[in-house]
Amino acid sequence: AAGVIQSPRHLIKEKRETATLKCYPIPRHDTVYWYQQGPGQDPQFLISFYEKMQSDKGSIPDRFSAQQFSDYHSELNMSSLELGDSALYFCASSLAGTDDGYTFGSGTRLTVV
Amino acid sequence: AQTVTQSQPEMSVQEAETVTLSCTYDTSENNYYLFWYKQPPSRQMILVIRQEAYKQQNATENRFSVNFQKAAKSFSLKISDSQLGDTAMYFCAFMTPQGGSEKLVFGKGTKLTVNP
Repeated sequence: AAGVIQSPRHLIKEKRETATLKCYPIPRHDTVYWYQQGPGQDPQFLISFYEKMQSDKGSIPDRFSAQQFSDYHSELNMSSLELGDSALYFCASSLAGTDDGYTFGSGTRLTVV
Repeated sequence: AQTVTQSQPEMSVQEAETVTLSCTYDTSENNYYLFWYKQPPSRQMILVIRQEAYKQQNATENRFSVNFQKAAKSFSLKISDSQLGDTAMYFCAFMTPQGGSEKLVFGKGTKLTVNP
């Protein structure tokens, strides 16, 4: 079965650079969630999209933005990167209104040096 | 706001034995879901088991079962016949169904080590 695809798997950026993380949800899933997991931390909700519209917002810095495109894939754009942005970024998808639950991608490990 | 508390930062168990991981939560909602996720060293987030709050029967998935006490807001995970592959970080998580905005709130996690 198709899973949630995240790219790239690993990314190394320098401070003040920009990064773009991509997420391809499971086919037919209409909702995408982004989470940030710092070293030794639990995942923290950043933002979600339902039918290409932002549906909820968590602790996402103003330097970050995201969107969901017409094919339901989502991108998380991160600018003016800081050392503290180094983390594992998870994307998850679901089909709203069902009991199917979430499926997580394998994550993108971002390292800011 | 919902909160999830896992009071055991680390636990260890001998292979083939049984271990219970604790989780408590706080919410004023009546309809919600609870989950246990496993995160092995590969860092993949793997769903272990889920429980709907309106179901009184405790969920079971093979060697994994939960003890859901709604009044006490407790949701513990029991792993029977522990295997070396169960070594991982285990996160308890809470979710309120809101159709298109069903974010998960995680606990801090319990690091489980299964010893041979």
